[in-house]
Amino acid sequence: DAGVIQSPRHEVTEMGQEVTLRCKPISGHNSLFWYRQTMMRGLELLIYFNNNVPIDDSGMPEDRFSAKMPNASFSTLKIQPSEPRDSAVYFCASSLVQGEAFFGQGTRLTVV
Amino acid sequence: QKEVEQDPGPLSVPEGAIVSLNCTYSNSAFQYFMWYRQYSRKGPELLMYTYSSGNKEDGRFTAQVDKSSKYISLFIRDSQPSDSATYLCAMSQYNDYKLSFGAGTTVTVRA
Repeated sequence: DAGVIQSPRHEVTEMGQEVTLRCKPISGHNSLFWYRQTMMRGLELLIYFNNNVPIDDSGMPEDRFSAKMPNASFSTLKIQPSEPRDSAVYFCASSLVQGEAFFGQGTRLTVV
Repeated sequence: QKEVEQDPGPLSVPEGAIVSLNCTYSNSAFQYFMWYRQYSRKGPELLMYTYSSGNKEDGRFTAQVDKSSKYISLFIRDSQPSDSATYLCAMSQYNDYKLSFGAGTTVTVRA
């Protein structure tokens, strides 16, 4: 298996633009997570899905952020409109066993 | 107070030394305790996984959990330059897939 695949790896966008991050989880995994990592706040859980259903989105910072999982093999995280303070590395992770999360390589987002 | 506290370091040790890392936590409902390793510009990877209290050993790595003290540790024996990375502790409650991470400790092993 290729592991969790995220795209794009790097994204530079202007403030106010829409940004869409994509994730393909490991086949067979039933849980998917979106995390954000910054120097100041570390690794923060934004949202997680179980069997394609959002279970906990309490970490989503505000209404500008939305996430979808239309099927077991694909998820998106959208930011609209983007702001400079959204600059961070966004990780997607998937899991089959509790605690054993497999992370993608991350998307480094810069909003200028 | 954060739910999981971890000293961010940095920690610098000579090759062959024992590296000692630890985390404290406040939520007594945590049952699963993990250590992840993150190399620069990479995603975290699972290193050690422990359920409830006790010790677990895997090669040069030993994880310890003391639930009575709400304290977990990771020891790396015979450290190598390739062990240079950020180590993050993570925890979750029973039947909850959500992980709470520590801030991560950056470790450098000098050749």
